[in-house]
Amino acid sequence: ETGVTQTPRHLVMGMTNKKSLKCEQHLGHNAMYWYKQSAKKPLELMFVYSLEERVENNSVPSRFSPECPNSSHLFLHLHTLQPEDSALYLCASSQAGQNYGYTFGSGTRLTVV
Amino acid sequence: DQQVKQNSPSLSVQEGRISILNCDYTNSMFDYFLWYKKYPAEGPTFLISISSIKDKNEDGRFTVFLNKSAKHLSLHIVPSQPGDSAVYFCAASALFGNEKLTFGTGTRLTIIP
Repeated sequence: ETGVTQTPRHLVMGMTNKKSLKCEQHLGHNAMYWYKQSAKKPLELMFVYSLEERVENNSVPSRFSPECPNSSHLFLHLHTLQPEDSALYLCASSQAGQNYGYTFGSGTRLTVV
Repeated sequence: DQQVKQNSPSLSVQEGRISILNCDYTNSMFDYFLWYKKYPAEGPTFLISISSIKDKNEDGRFTVFLNKSAKHLSLHIVPSQPGDSAVYFCAASALFGNEKLTFGTGTRLTIIP
């Protein structure tokens, strides 16, 4: 496996369910990110982890809970979501100080019913 | 407050002609700018970048121009090819490097054969 891998690719969940999104990077990067992409909106930064420490939480509701157990793995735990949380959730990684931008995963398309 | 703006949600260009995608920003602290390309069902991929110390950067068919006084950048693709059909995101960073990118809403480019 190379690059940034996200699972699952698609997820449909009810508002009372609990689920988790997984991201794994094989690039040796030291920072990982969760972004949300909704229709006709910019990519919204949700969480930033640098060296496994959360360095940013952009006023994200508590029904989204990130976890970064090591520099290669990032999770987004979901519970009691709302239909407006339906979106494409993108994970990215980077190496701080290198100007190559982020490497993104393919995303998880989440639908809340 | 949207700090990175792409005012054209879509653009259609004949194959072989030049495609010009525009991006404006409001934060004068931004000093590094990137363009990402996104195909359906895939994550964004890095295309080209420019530092604020330059006003032009070229990579094959892709050239990015930066006008700092106008807080405006543009991506030129010439000649345009059918494989260039995708959504293009402009992104900006306030630090030299790739920490915390702020994205625009994207422009959907369609190349007409």
